[in-house]
Amino acid sequence: KNEVEQSPQNLTAQEGEFITINCSYSVGISALHWLQQHPGGGIVSLFMLSSGKKKHGRLIATINIQEKHSSLHITASHPRDSAVYICAVSFTGNQFYFGTGTSLTVIP
Amino acid sequence: DSGVTQTPKHLITATGQRVTLRCSPRSGDLSVYWYQQSLDQGLQFLIQYYNGEERAKGNILERFSAQQFPDLHSELNLSSLELGDSALYFCASSVRGQPAGELFFGEGSRLTVL
Repeated sequence: KNEVEQSPQNLTAQEGEFITINCSYSVGISALHWLQQHPGGGIVSLFMLSSGKKKHGRLIATINIQEKHSSLHITASHPRDSAVYICAVSFTGNQFYFGTGTSLTVIP
Repeated sequence: DSGVTQTPKHLITATGQRVTLRCSPRSGDLSVYWYQQSLDQGLQFLIQYYNGEERAKGNILERFSAQQFPDLHSELNLSSLELGDSALYFCASSVRGQPAGELFFGEGSRLTVL
């Protein structure tokens, strides 16, 4: 049983398109993290959410605690956004579970 | 640059051997997390330390152990290595212990077991 489900697994978009990546989880969490992993392998934390919505530049993350669902939106996508986006949830006690990731390719 | 330093970046060793991976957290961060990323299993949480004490344990094998030292750097020891231990090992740090705060990741240590 996977505690964290991400969709889609793969996504190809044209430059400028609005992109949404979804994450669902099965039990109550203390926080949800959106991570970005570039082809070189390094991981960057984009957002940490426990409620509501956060925005950073062209990236927006929302979370609905009742529905156990989070979305990551990228507005005006750009080829440099091409990466794997990973949803991670932390539970009470700091157990972490990760989604399988969404591989995004943005074509110029 | 996240401020988290991991060494070595790459490591090639043989089955049955033992290796130590090192992580220096960002200045001021008390929590250190270790994660394993393999091709078939994705990212998995191994263990967390906060200010020198173990705080949470994930899917860490008994052959693996970790500790956090008084200067807050951490080491992950992997022993009796098997082919399946080949993976990227990430360390992350955060200011808080529980709940986990924003995570800052190191660049990872790529372990290849031959």
